[in-house]
Amino acid sequence: DQQVKQNSPSLSVQEGRISILNCDYTNSMFDYFLWYKKYPAEGPTFLISISSIKDKNEDGRFTVFLNKSAKHLSLHIVPSQPGDSAVYFCAARSSGGYQKVTFGTGTKLQVIP
Amino acid sequence: DAGITQSPRHKVTETGTPVTLRCHQTENHRYMYWYRQDPGHGLRLIHYSYGVKDTDKGEVSDGYSVSRSKTEDFLLTLESATSSQTSVYFCAISSGTGSTEAFFGQGTRLTVV
Repeated sequence: DQQVKQNSPSLSVQEGRISILNCDYTNSMFDYFLWYKKYPAEGPTFLISISSIKDKNEDGRFTVFLNKSAKHLSLHIVPSQPGDSAVYFCAARSSGGYQKVTFGTGTKLQVIP
Repeated sequence: DAGITQSPRHKVTETGTPVTLRCHQTENHRYMYWYRQDPGHGLRLIHYSYGVKDTDKGEVSDGYSVSRSKTEDFLLTLESATSSQTSVYFCAISSGTGSTEAFFGQGTRLTVV
């Protein structure tokens, strides 16, 4: 049962344009959502997060939007840069004391110069 | 960078042999996690720990056991390795506060032949 889903395995975007990565979830008990970026042969690195009580969080070129009624979140990257080319994972934390974090399957972003 | 080290970084082992992967942290974080990354599956949680000697199963725990006898070390054991356990294994740590971002190790590439 995939509680966090990223339905697009890959995405190609021209440099300077907007990249939009999508994520859907099924568990209403998630209280935090996070995005991670992963380069080949490296561990994932934290990018940005959003609390379930908010609908938007922005950090420089990265903005995450949360639509709780649709159980959907998205990551916007503006403008996209070639160095943004990586695999992006959406993740969600279960509320409660155990901090269990569930990841999606990832979206490979390619930013074309 | 968070102080988290995985060992070994690469290992080839034979089917049926026991294997132990080690995760060591110097951040004194309470939460530690073991994930495996496989194509088409993203990052899947194997086991996690919310304190010394406190562990719980993730979504793909069959065939794996863990131990955490001190805060800084989290061991993942494959009791009898199988080819289906060929994967890249990532350890992560989290303080559990705020947005609970996790810091990941560099990964261990395990091949079971």
